[in-house]
Amino acid sequence: AQSVAQPEDQVNVAEGNPLTVKCTYSVSGNPYLFWYVQYPNRGLQFLLKYITGDNLVKGSYGFEAEFNKSQTSFHLKKPSALVSDSALYFCAVMISNYQLIWGAGTKLIIKP
Amino acid sequence: DAGVTQSPTHLIKTRGQHVTLRCSPISGHKSVSWYQQVLGQGPQFIFQYYEKEERGRGNFPDRFSARQFPNYSSELNVNALLLGDSALYLCASPQRYQPQHFGDGTRLSIL
Repeated sequence: AQSVAQPEDQVNVAEGNPLTVKCTYSVSGNPYLFWYVQYPNRGLQFLLKYITGDNLVKGSYGFEAEFNKSQTSFHLKKPSALVSDSALYFCAVMISNYQLIWGAGTKLIIKP
Repeated sequence: DAGVTQSPTHLIKTRGQHVTLRCSPISGHKSVSWYQQVLGQGPQFIFQYYEKEERGRGNFPDRFSARQFPNYSSELNVNALLLGDSALYLCASPQRYQPQHFGDGTRLSIL
């Protein structure tokens, strides 16, 4: 079965420290991977995507993600966390032209 | 250009009632996808429409239905509401293998 896993319900990071939010996937064929962020009572905002090409993908707000085919992972990273990065983060994989399968989400808390 | 717009923002219903949620995709986009996001979970795919035709359906009961209009706006209908239908309903304006742009959603509460 095709799936996305985010093994951490919550990640706590001190402001200024690097952050990593983990994502692993299980799909047939080449994966099309996405990260989204959700603030309270809001919809989902696109951060970055991996379709093909370089394994390190750069996105919005200083975020980047590393695609690792052998480990079937697509971890979200940022070199220096901001308090304003605190939000809910979702990893998703596109399994058809339009349908996305989502992880359960990881709550990121950045402490001053 | 306006992004994806959804209405209403919030809705309160009681069990057994019917609800209609509305979505307008990004101008020029011909496809709409609907997702249900229960609190504490990731979104779950409900429907996808393209050019007024259903192109995909998730694992939801027949109480859930949708349609797309000639102007590409869409309605999601849910009949015989259950407490478990309480969720944030999200609409997206997808394009092939591109990031999907989402509206802010409709928060549906069932009492």
